[in-house]
Amino acid sequence: GAVVSQHPSWVICKSGTSVKIECRSLDFQATTMFWYRQFPKQSLMLMATSNEGSKATYEQGVEKDKFLINHASLTLSTLTVTSAHPEDSSFYICSARDPQARGYEQYFGPGTRLTVT
Amino acid sequence: GESVGLHLPTLSVQEGDNSIINCAYSNSASDYFIWYKQESGKGPQFIIDIRSNMDKRQGQRVTVLLNKTVKHLSLQIAATQPGDSAVYFCAENGRATNKLIFGTGTLLAVQP
Repeated sequence: GAVVSQHPSWVICKSGTSVKIECRSLDFQATTMFWYRQFPKQSLMLMATSNEGSKATYEQGVEKDKFLINHASLTLSTLTVTSAHPEDSSFYICSARDPQARGYEQYFGPGTRLTVT
Repeated sequence: GESVGLHLPTLSVQEGDNSIINCAYSNSASDYFIWYKQESGKGPQFIIDIRSNMDKRQGQRVTVLLNKTVKHLSLQIAATQPGDSAVYFCAENGRATNKLIFGTGTLLAVQP
């Protein structure tokens, strides 16, 4: 089956620094990837849709200058949390859609736990 | 930031019993629905899906029922096992937006 990886699996950073999270589709090419964040005991909230070769589309209320998304290739999307603050601490999950599959199914990565101190 | 005091709805079942997890979705225009299982500290894992032109679909030990009249989705797990303990989310794909929107989730606790 389709596999999506994320790196790192967890990261601790100091307030004010930036952190980059990578999302890779390992065995398929993903024209579209999605970034979600999840707080404890809550659901996944879509942050943005990342399209290869074009600008990401952000959901309402998500600051695009704070959460920079780059989908530079068909197998890699990155999320950079800039000037991180403790309230950005969360579980960040990416997913990828395989255009060769049925079209709707998304394959999820294992998530990245970000802790900002 | 984090919200304090939130609790996921919890369904507690005995091992071997059948489980039914319910979900109300919001968009009558959604055309595709998926159930995901999420274990602690991991990403969501696909369980089963159903398109809006169907009302029932069966997999291995799992069945999804879709009632479009009342915008209700359910996941039935037969002979629940301890390994089924996790949070279960329903998700709907909007026909117009082609994005997945997740429900609030249900914690399934299987008692041995």
